[in-house]
Amino acid sequence: AQSVAQPEDQVNVAEGNPLTVKCTYSVSGNPYLFWYVQYPNRGLQFLLKYITGDNLVKGSYGFEAEFNKSQTSFHLKKPSALVSDSALYFCAVRDPLDNDMRFGAGTRLTVKP
Amino acid sequence: GAGVSQSPRYKVTKRGQDVALRCDPISGHVSLYWYRQALGQGPEFLTYFNYEAQQDKSGLPNDRFSAERPEGSISTLTIQRTEQRDSAMYRCASSPSVGETQYFGPGTRLLVL
Repeated sequence: AQSVAQPEDQVNVAEGNPLTVKCTYSVSGNPYLFWYVQYPNRGLQFLLKYITGDNLVKGSYGFEAEFNKSQTSFHLKKPSALVSDSALYFCAVRDPLDNDMRFGAGTRLTVKP
Repeated sequence: GAGVSQSPRYKVTKRGQDVALRCDPISGHVSLYWYRQALGQGPEFLTYFNYEAQQDKSGLPNDRFSAERPEGSISTLTIQRTEQRDSAMYRCASSPSVGETQYFGPGTRLLVL
């Protein structure tokens, strides 16, 4: 069965600095990978996904993620963080042979002015 | 509608009572998913439907939990004889078809006293 890990509970960055939120996965076949964001008192919002093709995926709000098969990672990145990016971020993986989607425990990103 | 909607948004019930949680997916979306999210955790898969057919219910914790989608649109997640450990946020998501991006509703927060 597929699984995903987010090794950091909390990430703190200063506004304007680059940010990285880490995600590693385990899946038997080629993975489908996703990032979702949860703002306070809001539902989960889709940010970006990797299915196939270019390893660098660009998504909403200036975020991007890089699929690294050898390291089984799909880290979320943004070149310049905004205070409004502060939220809870979830990585998810789906084995294309199995429609269950597994989520990580989440990483709380705090961007300070 | 514009997005996935869920009702009620909050439900407080006494232990032993049955509850029914409703999900109204994005119009035309074939696939519908139910997740449970405990505090501080990522969403945990419960079950999903394609049209009215329940494709996978492997994530349902026990036989007190059931779900239906009789007309292939609105879905109801029912928890019978609720227990305090059932307290969580219950999230619904829908996607245009199997394997496509899932879009989440705002969730129903269930509190069992």
